[in-house]
Amino acid sequence: DAKTTQPTSMDCAEGRAANLPCNHSTISGNEYVYWYRQIHSQGPQYIIHGLKNNETNEMASLIITEDRKSSTLILPHATLRDTAVYYCIVRVRIGGGFKTIFGAGTRLFVKA
Amino acid sequence: GAVVSQHPSRVICKSGTSVKIECRSLDFQATTMFWYRQFPKKSLMLMATSNEGSKATYEQGVEKDKFLINHASLTLSTLTVTSAHPEDSSFYICSAREMARWEYGYTFGSGTRLTVV
Repeated sequence: DAKTTQPTSMDCAEGRAANLPCNHSTISGNEYVYWYRQIHSQGPQYIIHGLKNNETNEMASLIITEDRKSSTLILPHATLRDTAVYYCIVRVRIGGGFKTIFGAGTRLFVKA
Repeated sequence: GAVVSQHPSRVICKSGTSVKIECRSLDFQATTMFWYRQFPKKSLMLMATSNEGSKATYEQGVEKDKFLINHASLTLSTLTVTSAHPEDSSFYICSAREMARWEYGYTFGSGTRLTVV
């Protein structure tokens, strides 16, 4: 199973960019990297995903290294509402499908 | 976008009783749904994979007779916690994948907080 490692927690000042790193050194060539976040007592929310190329959407940017062994989620202008646990996930193949295994995640605190 | 509805959001039950939690995909069909549980300040732990029309696949260490899963239709999976005990108190979350948007991963329900007293 591909596994991910993330810092336990990070702080970020409101309005600044939050850069959340993730290591996934055992990722396979056809496995995508996904990022979710979970705000307290809610279900996880999809943020972004990528395979090889850098990706950007209205929520965040995802930078994947060329060897695909690590990635960084970037929240360009963090707000207080971005305080949450951020999970970096590599989907695990099961038969013809996938299952999503969560690691410990990074607890991001955005401070005023 | 894909929406997953989970019900109830909170439930309190007495020890020894059973509780059913529903997970519905509102605007898409889901042949596969997943059930997770989460303890305070801990990550989500995958309990089982729910397969429409067939038996669920349970993760190692999860009692299938304790946590009954039924996926009778393409839009509904249920998790029944049988003979609940206080240690079953937890946050239960389901997720489902929209086949047409498979690359976008899974959509999660809002969770059910179960308290067994």
